[in-house]
Order: sequence, then structure tokens, then C-alpha cells
Amino acid sequence: DGGITQSPKYLFRKEGQNVTLSCEQNLNHDAMYWYRQDPGQGLRLIYYSQIVNDFQKGDIAEGYSVSREKKESFPLTVTSAQKNPTAFYLCASSIPGQGYTGELFFGEGSRLTVL
Amino acid sequence: AQSVTQLGSHVSVSEGALVLLRCNYSSSVPPYLFWYVQYPNQGLQLLLKYTTGATLVKGINGFEAEFKKSETSFHLTKPSAHMSDAAEYFCAVKGTGGYNKLIFGAGTRLAVHP
Repeated sequence: DGGITQSPKYLFRKEGQNVTLSCEQNLNHDAMYWYRQDPGQGLRLIYYSQIVNDFQKGDIAEGYSVSREKKESFPLTVTSAQKNPTAFYLCASSIPGQGYTGELFFGEGSRLTVL
Repeated sequence: AQSVTQLGSHVSVSEGALVLLRCNYSSSVPPYLFWYVQYPNQGLQLLLKYTTGATLVKGINGFEAEFKKSETSFHLTKPSAHMSDAAEYFCAVKGTGGYNKLIFGAGTRLAVHP
């Protein structure tokens, strides 16, 4: 079945450490996204990528980095510069282009806790 | 700029009662509107969407929503709540700009009690 796989599901990190969250999709979608979810705040866009080797900052990119070397993969690194990294992280994908409705397909999420 | 307001961060209903989750949006262009559902520690699943055409949209699990342009609303309803409907619900509108991102509301947590 096609879908988006995020790993790990749960991750604990000590302050000062960088961590990388994996996102892999086999939907053949061109665009991929990373969102951060905090209680009562909805979803906020961190980074997005419309094609391989290209990505753009979203609304809250500070303290995060991404790469897009393959169409299927869009890993997110949470760096030590991120002041409050404890959150639920969601990866999504879509089919951009003319006629695109905006619909996103989501992975199951990764919960990061900083100790 | 587009925005979404969900009225009520928490809604509680009895099993079998009507579910009504409110969503108002602002948009400078004809909107594309979405409702997503999220169960604890899971990703978001599309319930339904409005793009063009019929203003009453039917989705999965018996939910439906009506697009009302004059009221800038897209409220989600279900005639009879089931215990399995307990989840968080997000309304979203497609933004404008180079990458047409989705703009999400803050979410409404629905509790269903016996």
C-alpha cells in the first residue's frame, strides 16, 4: 500500500543534541512538507519541498534543517538551536501543479521529547 | 491573507447526539476547504473537502459539511455521534502564493460520552 512512513515514532533527546526524523513516501508525490504540532496551536509549517534538491522555509524554520536528495525522502533535523523542540512532528506530501486542490497526505507522526 | 477560526477548542456530546463543529475562514479568493481528523498520537486523515460544485459535501464516517459563502463558514456535522468519533478535528483552507500551503485552524477536540 502507498503511504508515508515516519520514524522513529517516539524519540527522546538530551538538550544540546541534534536529532533527525525520517520521512519516506511511496506515493510518487513531488511535494513534501514538515509540520510541527503543539497542543492548542494547530499545525505550523516548518519546511516544504516542491521538487528534488529544492526546499523552502515555512513559518517556523529557525532551529531546523532539511534535505531533499531523493523524491521519496525528506528528513528533518532538529538542531540544538531549536529552543523548544518538544513537539509532535508530522510529515506530509501532495501533488502540486495546475488544478492542485491543496489536499495533503500525512504520515503517522514522530513525537520528540527533550529531557 | 487566509485564516481559519475554529470556535470551541473542546466540544462534548452524548453518544447518539448531533455533532456540530464550527469553522469560519477568511479568503481573498474562492476557497478550497478541508476537514481532517486526528486520533491520539496519529497523523491526520482527510474527512472531506470542498473545492467547487455542490456546497454540501459528504465525507467518511457519516460526516458532512456545508460551504456557506455568505457566512464564510464550513461547519462539520454528523447526525448521531459514536464513541469512535472522539478525536481532534482540524479545519483548513488552501492558501494563496507560490506553494499553495494549507492553513489550519487550532483544532477542536471532540469528546463523546455514554
